[in-house]
Amino acid sequence: DAGVIQSPRHEVTEMGQEVTLRCKPISGHDYLFWYRQTMMRGLELLIYFNNNVPIDDSGMPEDRFSAKMPNASFSTLKIQPSEPRDSAVYFCASSHRQGSNQPQHFGDGTRLSIL
Amino acid sequence: AQSVAQPEDQVNVAEGNPLTVKCTYSVSGNPYLFWYVQYPNRGLQFLLKYITGDNLVKGSYGFEAEFNKSQTSFHLKKPSALVSDSALYFCAVTPRGRGGSYIPTFGRGTSLIVHP
Repeated sequence: DAGVIQSPRHEVTEMGQEVTLRCKPISGHDYLFWYRQTMMRGLELLIYFNNNVPIDDSGMPEDRFSAKMPNASFSTLKIQPSEPRDSAVYFCASSHRQGSNQPQHFGDGTRLSIL
Repeated sequence: AQSVAQPEDQVNVAEGNPLTVKCTYSVSGNPYLFWYVQYPNRGLQFLLKYITGDNLVKGSYGFEAEFNKSQTSFHLKKPSALVSDSALYFCAVTPRGRGGSYIPTFGRGTSLIVHP
């Protein structure tokens, strides 16, 4: 199994630009999570999906953030317009039968720098 | 609301010595408990979990964790630390049950530094 795949691994862009982060979950996993990690705030859950449907987006910081999951093998997190305070590492994770004893599987993240 | 506390931001230990990374939690009922490790520039990796039964759980890379229900703790341990164990460690708790609302809560992480 290839694990959770995220792209790009690094993204540097200027304030005001649109940023799109991509995630391919593990095949067969029915839950997908987007997290943000910073030194100040630690690991924050932004949004999660079950069977491609967004379940809880209460962690999305602002309307500038949006996430989609058009099919079981692909999800995007978009920031438009981007701001310097959005600089962080963004992780995607997937799991099977959430609520059971199954762990989450994380991608290696996208390190985002907004200048 | 559930919460996880990792009281130490950083733990320093000499190679070959035993290590402990502490975790306490607050959640109703009997949760599932997890430890994850994060190496530099990598995502979190699952180490071990407590489901039920024996309070001492064994996991990857020689790590183990002890569940203590009365103290609501789930401390991570290893008898002999390696320099390669240096990483960020996260404790997580998930309430038991079925359904999409049972998502994990993560602690803030503890940086483990093992000195040669």
